[in-house]
Amino acid sequence: NAGVTQTPKFQVLKTGQSMTLQCAQDMNHEYMSWYRQDPGMGLRLIHYSVGAGITDQGEVPNGYNVSRSTTEDFPLRLLSAAPSQTSVYFCASSSRSSGSGELFFGEGSRLTVL
Amino acid sequence: QQQVKQSPQSLIVQKGGISIINCAYENTAFDYFPWYQQFPGKGPALLIAIRPDVSEKKEGRFTISFNKSAKQFSLHIMDSQPGDSATYFCAASFNDMRFGAGTRLTVKP
Repeated sequence: NAGVTQTPKFQVLKTGQSMTLQCAQDMNHEYMSWYRQDPGMGLRLIHYSVGAGITDQGEVPNGYNVSRSTTEDFPLRLLSAAPSQTSVYFCASSSRSSGSGELFFGEGSRLTVL
Repeated sequence: QQQVKQSPQSLIVQKGGISIINCAYENTAFDYFPWYQQFPGKGPALLIAIRPDVSEKKEGRFTISFNKSAKQFSLHIMDSQPGDSATYFCAASFNDMRFGAGTRLTVKP
């Protein structure tokens, strides 16, 4: 039972490059979300989705795009990477259609922007 | 601004002692209050959670105390063990989940 799978685990980018962080879950969860974790800031919500075709912004959406074409996948796109986007990114899913239920997290993707 | 405020940032406790972490929230629409535990290099994992219709929930050595009128909740870890050393996050959710800044707990043997 894989749960929430994130790829890649590590990535180094140069300023201005674009990339996509992949997230897939095999629990048939409707709700999926992306967080970034920075020291002293906790986990901050970037974008979330309550089902295929539906996405919404969280606390810190600028510089990131998401789409949800299937229930299983929720990729996060960095359009033009900046050093301020250096962080650890976590994808999470929940069986509740809102966020008010247990979130299952992936192992994280550590991104460094030079 | 952060919707969930957590304190302290770090906590050192002796083995067998009680660890207490506090959180406060502003949005009265929040209807689910979980605590997550995170070990280095891993994603957070649910430890215990409470809904606002109860004032306390206990699971083993872990207890959540919830004060709806004060908009505060806390995690108590009884008989703290070195294996409890981790970062703990409180959170609150309605349509989405918002997290506190985290508390790094160190339990000394």
